Amino acid sequence: ETGVTQSPTHLIKTRGQQVTLRCSSQSGHNTVSWYQQALGQGPQFIFQYYREEENGRGNFPPRFSGLQFPNYSSELNVNALELDDSALYLCASSYRDRGNEKLFFGSGTQLSVL
Amino acid sequence: QQQVKQSPQSLIVQKGGISIINCAYENTAFDYFPWYQQFPGKGPALLIAIRPDVSEKKEGRFTISFNKSAKQFSLHIMDSQPGDSATYFCAASGPMDSSYKLIFGSGTRLLVRP
Repeated sequence: ETGVTQSPTHLIKTRGQQVTLRCSSQSGHNTVSWYQQALGQGPQFIFQYYREEENGRGNFPPRFSGLQFPNYSSELNVNALELDDSALYLCASSYRDRGNEKLFFGSGTQLSVL
Repeated sequence: QQQVKQSPQSLIVQKGGISIINCAYENTAFDYFPWYQQFPGKGPALLIAIRPDVSEKKEGRFTISFNKSAKQFSLHIMDSQPGDSATYFCAASGPMDSSYKLIFGSGTRLLVRP
Protein backbone atom coordinates (compact mmCIF):
# COMPACT_ATOMS: atom_id res chain seq x y z
CA GLU A 1 0.00 0.00 0.00
CA THR A 2 1.19 3.51 -0.85
CA GLY A 3 -0.36 5.35 2.08
CA VAL A 4 -2.32 7.55 -0.34
CA THR A 5 -6.07 7.30 0.22
CA GLN A 6 -8.78 8.65 -2.02
CA SER A 7 -12.49 9.09 -1.45
CA PRO A 8 -15.00 8.21 -2.58
CA THR A 9 -13.98 5.09 -4.53
CA HIS A 10 -16.91 5.37 -6.90
CA LEU A 11 -19.22 8.23 -7.81
CA ILE A 12 -22.11 8.70 -10.23
CA LYS A 13 -23.13 12.19 -11.30
CA THR A 14 -25.25 13.69 -14.04
CA ARG A 15 -24.13 16.12 -16.69
CA GLY A 16 -23.89 19.71 -15.45
CA GLN A 17 -23.37 18.78 -11.80
CA GLN A 18 -20.31 19.56 -9.71
CA VAL A 19 -18.08 17.02 -7.94
CA THR A 20 -15.37 17.12 -5.27
CA LEU A 21 -12.84 14.32 -4.95
CA ARG A 22 -10.56 13.99 -1.95
CA CYS A 23 -7.05 12.72 -1.38
CA SER A 24 -4.98 12.13 1.72
CA SER A 25 -1.26 12.17 0.97
CA GLN A 26 1.38 9.85 2.31
CA SER A 27 2.87 11.11 5.56
CA GLY A 28 5.79 13.47 4.98
CA HIS A 29 4.90 14.23 1.38
CA ASN A 30 4.50 17.90 0.45
CA THR A 31 3.44 17.61 -3.19
CA VAL A 32 0.23 16.24 -4.68
CA SER A 33 -0.60 15.66 -8.33
CA TRP A 34 -3.89 14.74 -9.93
CA TYR A 35 -4.24 12.61 -13.04
CA GLN A 36 -7.21 11.58 -15.17
CA GLN A 37 -7.20 8.06 -16.60
CA ALA A 38 -9.78 7.32 -19.27
CA LEU A 39 -10.68 3.69 -19.90
CA GLY A 40 -7.87 1.90 -21.71
CA GLN A 41 -5.55 4.94 -21.62
CA GLY A 42 -2.58 6.10 -19.65
CA PRO A 43 -3.04 8.71 -16.91
CA GLN A 44 -3.05 12.35 -18.04
CA PHE A 45 -1.67 15.12 -15.83
CA ILE A 46 -4.30 17.56 -14.58
CA PHE A 47 -2.32 19.71 -12.12
CA GLN A 48 0.08 19.65 -9.21
CA TYR A 49 0.13 21.43 -5.86
CA TYR A 50 3.24 22.14 -3.84
CA ARG A 51 2.91 23.77 -0.42
CA GLU A 52 -0.70 24.75 -1.12
CA GLU A 53 -0.01 26.48 -4.44
CA GLU A 54 -0.67 25.26 -7.97
CA ASN A 55 2.67 24.31 -9.45
CA GLY A 56 1.86 23.21 -12.97
CA ARG A 57 -1.22 22.42 -15.01
CA GLY A 58 -1.97 20.11 -17.90
CA ASN A 59 -4.31 20.67 -20.80
CA PHE A 60 -7.52 20.79 -18.78
CA PRO A 61 -10.11 23.60 -18.73
CA PRO A 62 -10.57 25.96 -15.74
CA ARG A 63 -13.63 24.02 -14.57
CA PHE A 64 -11.06 21.59 -13.16
CA SER A 65 -9.71 23.18 -9.98
CA GLY A 66 -7.96 22.04 -6.87
CA LEU A 67 -6.85 22.79 -3.37
CA GLN A 68 -4.07 21.58 -1.13
CA PHE A 69 -4.48 22.03 2.61
CA PRO A 70 -1.82 22.72 5.29
CA ASN A 71 -1.83 19.01 6.22
CA TYR A 72 -1.07 18.33 2.50
CA SER A 73 -4.41 16.64 1.84
CA SER A 74 -6.01 17.75 -1.39
CA GLU A 75 -9.25 18.18 -3.30
CA LEU A 76 -10.08 18.06 -6.98
CA ASN A 77 -13.19 19.95 -8.01
CA VAL A 78 -14.87 19.62 -11.37
CA ASN A 79 -17.72 21.99 -12.32
CA ALA A 80 -20.28 21.63 -15.08
CA LEU A 81 -19.59 17.92 -15.56
CA GLU A 82 -19.52 16.58 -19.10
CA LEU A 83 -19.95 13.01 -20.28
CA ASP A 84 -16.26 12.90 -21.29
CA ASP A 85 -15.27 13.56 -17.67
CA SER A 86 -16.12 9.93 -16.92
CA ALA A 87 -12.78 8.43 -15.91
CA LEU A 88 -10.62 7.19 -13.06
CA TYR A 89 -9.16 10.14 -11.16
CA LEU A 90 -5.84 9.41 -9.54
CA CYS A 91 -4.09 11.33 -6.81
CA ALA A 92 -0.34 10.94 -6.40
CA SER A 93 1.77 12.27 -3.56
CA SER A 94 5.49 12.85 -3.51
CA TYR A 95 8.22 14.61 -1.62
CA ARG A 96 9.75 17.58 -3.43
CA ASP A 97 13.45 17.12 -2.88
CA ARG A 98 14.89 17.38 -6.34
CA GLY A 99 13.49 16.80 -9.77
CA ASN A 100 11.70 13.62 -10.78
CA GLU A 101 10.51 12.66 -7.35
CA LYS A 102 8.83 9.28 -7.02
CA LEU A 103 5.06 9.39 -7.25
CA PHE A 104 2.89 7.23 -5.03
CA PHE A 105 -0.60 6.79 -6.44
CA GLY A 106 -3.84 6.14 -4.63
CA SER A 107 -6.36 3.63 -5.96
CA GLY A 108 -8.41 6.38 -7.54
CA THR A 109 -11.99 7.56 -7.71
CA GLN A 110 -14.06 6.11 -10.55
CA LEU A 111 -16.35 8.90 -11.76
CA SER A 112 -19.26 8.15 -14.04
CA VAL A 113 -21.15 11.04 -15.61
CA LEU A 114 -24.58 10.16 -17.00
CA GLN B 1 6.94 16.46 -28.72
CA GLN B 2 5.33 15.65 -25.39
CA GLN B 3 4.15 12.20 -26.45
CA VAL B 4 5.43 8.85 -25.31
CA LYS B 5 4.49 6.03 -27.69
CA GLN B 6 4.14 2.54 -26.26
CA SER B 7 3.85 -0.85 -27.93
CA PRO B 8 2.44 -3.43 -28.10
CA GLN B 9 -1.05 -2.64 -26.88
CA SER B 10 -1.41 -6.18 -25.54
CA LEU B 11 0.93 -9.10 -24.99
CA ILE B 12 0.43 -12.77 -24.17
CA VAL B 13 3.40 -14.70 -22.82
CA GLN B 14 3.77 -18.22 -21.47
CA LYS B 15 4.90 -18.69 -17.89
CA GLY B 16 8.69 -18.57 -17.75
CA GLY B 17 8.97 -16.54 -20.94
CA ILE B 18 10.33 -13.04 -21.50
CA SER B 19 7.92 -10.12 -21.80
CA ILE B 20 9.19 -7.11 -23.75
CA ILE B 21 7.43 -3.75 -23.89
CA ASN B 22 8.79 -0.83 -25.90
CA CYS B 23 8.46 2.94 -25.65
CA ALA B 24 9.67 5.84 -27.76
CA TYR B 25 9.81 9.53 -26.98
CA GLU B 26 10.44 12.75 -28.88
CA ASN B 27 11.45 15.33 -26.31
CA THR B 28 15.20 15.21 -25.67
CA ALA B 29 14.67 17.23 -22.48
CA PHE B 30 13.16 14.17 -20.77
CA ASP B 31 15.60 12.87 -18.19
CA TYR B 32 13.61 10.40 -16.11
CA PHE B 33 11.91 7.27 -17.44
CA PRO B 34 9.84 5.19 -15.00
CA TRP B 35 7.73 2.12 -15.59
CA TYR B 36 4.50 1.64 -13.69
CA GLN B 37 2.46 -1.51 -13.09
CA GLN B 38 -1.29 -1.28 -12.62
CA PHE B 39 -3.64 -4.02 -11.47
CA PRO B 40 -7.42 -3.71 -11.98
CA GLY B 41 -8.99 -1.43 -9.40
CA LYS B 42 -5.63 -0.09 -8.24
CA GLY B 43 -3.53 2.94 -9.00
CA PRO B 44 -0.23 2.63 -10.88
CA ALA B 45 2.73 1.48 -8.80
CA LEU B 46 6.34 2.37 -9.61
CA LEU B 47 8.20 -0.71 -10.82
CA ILE B 48 11.59 0.54 -11.95
CA ALA B 49 13.04 3.76 -13.36
CA ILE B 50 16.10 4.87 -15.30
CA ARG B 51 17.94 8.08 -16.14
CA PRO B 52 19.67 8.63 -19.50
CA ASP B 53 23.19 8.42 -18.08
CA VAL B 54 22.98 4.61 -18.03
CA SER B 55 21.95 2.17 -20.76
CA GLU B 56 20.51 -0.55 -18.56
CA LYS B 57 19.09 -1.01 -15.09
CA LYS B 58 18.11 -4.30 -13.53
CA GLU B 59 16.00 -4.96 -10.46
CA GLY B 60 15.20 -8.61 -9.88
CA ARG B 61 13.38 -9.98 -12.92
CA PHE B 62 12.77 -6.48 -14.34
CA THR B 63 15.25 -4.73 -16.64
CA ILE B 64 15.06 -1.39 -18.41
CA SER B 65 17.13 -0.97 -21.57
CA PHE B 66 17.69 2.61 -22.68
CA ASN B 67 18.87 3.81 -26.10
CA LYS B 68 19.45 7.56 -25.91
CA SER B 69 20.37 8.05 -29.57
CA ALA B 70 17.22 6.25 -30.74
CA LYS B 71 15.10 7.87 -28.03
CA GLN B 72 13.72 4.48 -27.07
CA PHE B 73 13.51 2.46 -23.89
CA SER B 74 12.08 -0.91 -23.09
CA LEU B 75 11.01 -3.09 -20.17
CA HIS B 76 12.03 -6.72 -20.08
CA ILE B 77 10.35 -9.08 -17.63
CA MET B 78 12.37 -12.27 -17.30
CA ASP B 79 10.80 -15.56 -16.17
CA SER B 80 7.32 -14.04 -16.49
CA GLN B 81 4.80 -15.28 -13.94
CA PRO B 82 0.97 -15.29 -13.94
CA GLY B 83 1.15 -12.76 -11.09
CA ASP B 84 2.82 -10.34 -13.52
CA SER B 85 -0.44 -10.14 -15.49
CA ALA B 86 -1.28 -6.44 -15.32
CA THR B 87 -1.18 -3.27 -17.39
CA TYR B 88 2.25 -1.67 -17.74
CA PHE B 89 2.83 2.00 -18.49
CA CYS B 90 6.03 3.69 -19.49
CA ALA B 91 6.39 7.35 -18.65
CA ALA B 92 8.80 10.24 -19.00
CA SER B 93 9.43 13.55 -17.31
CA GLY B 94 11.96 16.33 -17.37
CA PRO B 95 12.70 19.80 -16.08
CA MET B 96 10.63 21.57 -18.74
CA ASP B 97 8.54 23.04 -15.97
CA SER B 98 8.66 22.98 -12.21
CA SER B 99 6.04 20.27 -11.81
CA TYR B 100 8.06 17.42 -13.41
CA LYS B 101 4.75 16.01 -14.62
CA LEU B 102 4.80 12.46 -15.92
CA ILE B 103 3.84 11.86 -19.55
CA PHE B 104 2.46 8.33 -19.76
CA GLY B 105 2.32 5.92 -22.65
CA SER B 106 -1.00 4.34 -23.55
CA GLY B 107 -0.28 1.10 -21.71
CA THR B 108 0.34 -2.58 -22.46
CA ARG B 109 -1.95 -5.28 -21.12
CA LEU B 110 0.20 -8.29 -20.27
CA LEU B 111 -1.29 -11.73 -19.80
CA VAL B 112 1.01 -14.49 -18.60
CA ARG B 113 -0.49 -17.91 -19.22
CA PRO B 114 0.23 -20.69 -16.68
